[in-house]
Amino acid sequence: KAGVTQTPRYLIKTRGQQVTLSCSPISGHRSVSWYQQTPGQGLQFLFEYFSETQRNKGNFPGRFSGRQFSNSRSEMNVSTLELGDSALYLCASSLINEFTDTQYFGPGTRLTVL
Amino acid sequence: AQSVAQPEDQVNVAEGNPLTVKCTYSVSGNPYLFWYVQYPNRGLQFLLKYITGDNLVKGSYGFEAEFNKSQTSFHLKKPSALVSDSALYFCAVSPLMDTGRRALTFGSGTRLQVQP
Repeated sequence: KAGVTQTPRYLIKTRGQQVTLSCSPISGHRSVSWYQQTPGQGLQFLFEYFSETQRNKGNFPGRFSGRQFSNSRSEMNVSTLELGDSALYLCASSLINEFTDTQYFGPGTRLTVL
Repeated sequence: AQSVAQPEDQVNVAEGNPLTVKCTYSVSGNPYLFWYVQYPNRGLQFLLKYITGDNLVKGSYGFEAEFNKSQTSFHLKKPSALVSDSALYFCAVSPLMDTGRRALTFGSGTRLQVQP
């Protein structure tokens, strides 16, 4: 099975712009979660989507949003970019199951805000 | 609120020696515990998890972890380290209840350096 794929792998934007990142989960996985990784704050949970509905949300401002499509692919959007949004954005998918609820991560999208 | 502590920023070990990467956690109720590894310019790779059952969990690439409820610890171990094990290791926790189960809280990471 193909793993989690994320596009693009690298992005450079300027302050004030907006950006959309894409994530395709492992085939059959219906839950997609997003995480932000920075040197200062480490790995932080952004949100989780399942069946096109946001189920959990981390402590991030409303500039960070996401959505999930009927084929389980997910996008996250960041509006009005700030320098502090520079980070590696990781997407993870999981098969919702009481005993095998493990998240598998993609390679990430490296966002640089200038 | 849940939290994870990885007290060592870096662990150095000689190839062939046993390694331990430490993790302690705090969570309401029963924990759901994970170890992930990250190689340079890569995402996180799943190593192992503890849900319930045996306190010793075996995972990928010869790694194992021991769950200790009284000490709220979940240390990662390997009997014989390889140079290729050099990477950044993350411990993560989530509550067992369904609504929060996939909102993982990660530790700060421990860099493992295995010297030849």
